[in-house]
Amino acid sequence: DQQVKQNSPSLSVQEGRISILNCDYTNSMFDYFLWYKKYPAEGPTFLISISSIKDKNEDGRFTVFLNKSAKHLSLHIVPSQPGDSAVYFCAASARSQGNLIFGKGTKLSVKP
Amino acid sequence: EAGVAQSPRYKIIEKRQSVAFWCNPISGHATLYWYQQILGQGPKLLIQFQNNGVVDDSQLPKDRFSAERLKGVDSTLKIQPAKLEDSAVYLCASRSGLAGGDEQYFGPGTRLTVT
Repeated sequence: DQQVKQNSPSLSVQEGRISILNCDYTNSMFDYFLWYKKYPAEGPTFLISISSIKDKNEDGRFTVFLNKSAKHLSLHIVPSQPGDSAVYFCAASARSQGNLIFGKGTKLSVKP
Repeated sequence: EAGVAQSPRYKIIEKRQSVAFWCNPISGHATLYWYQQILGQGPKLLIQFQNNGVVDDSQLPKDRFSAERLKGVDSTLKIQPAKLEDSAVYLCASRSGLAGGDEQYFGPGTRLTVT
């Protein structure tokens, strides 16, 4: 039973446009959400996070939106760049536990 | 600041053989994790250490997998005997504290192929 779901295995976007990656979760105990980016043959690298007390967090070109009532979060990348091409993982945790539950990932391809 | 180090980067073994992976976390990080990432899936937690104590090993197949973190620094993960379904990337991660809120830093992983 997947507690964190990324239903789109892949996404292709033109350079300069917006990339929107989606994530749904089922466990209402989750109160901290993160996005990780992974290049081939490397470990995941932290990108951006959001606490459940917020509905938006922004860091440069990256913005994460959280809709608690829908148990849904999204990552917006504006503008998208070819270097953003990677697999993006959504992860969630209950702060009392600290371990992360990951989705299956979405492969983003940004075309020049 | 040096990142999380893992070795070896790649390992090929035959089923029923044993294998060990090593991880050196970021200096000063008390919490260490081992994840298994099967192709096409997200990382799945195997075991979590706080210093040299086990916090969560509920998803570790204890009949064949074992892990230790002696002296609360380096850690080793062992598989004995290996099965075909153990083919995966094994990721080590570390974090400075136990509670959520601080991101985890991942090593490059060890890609294990069991033939």
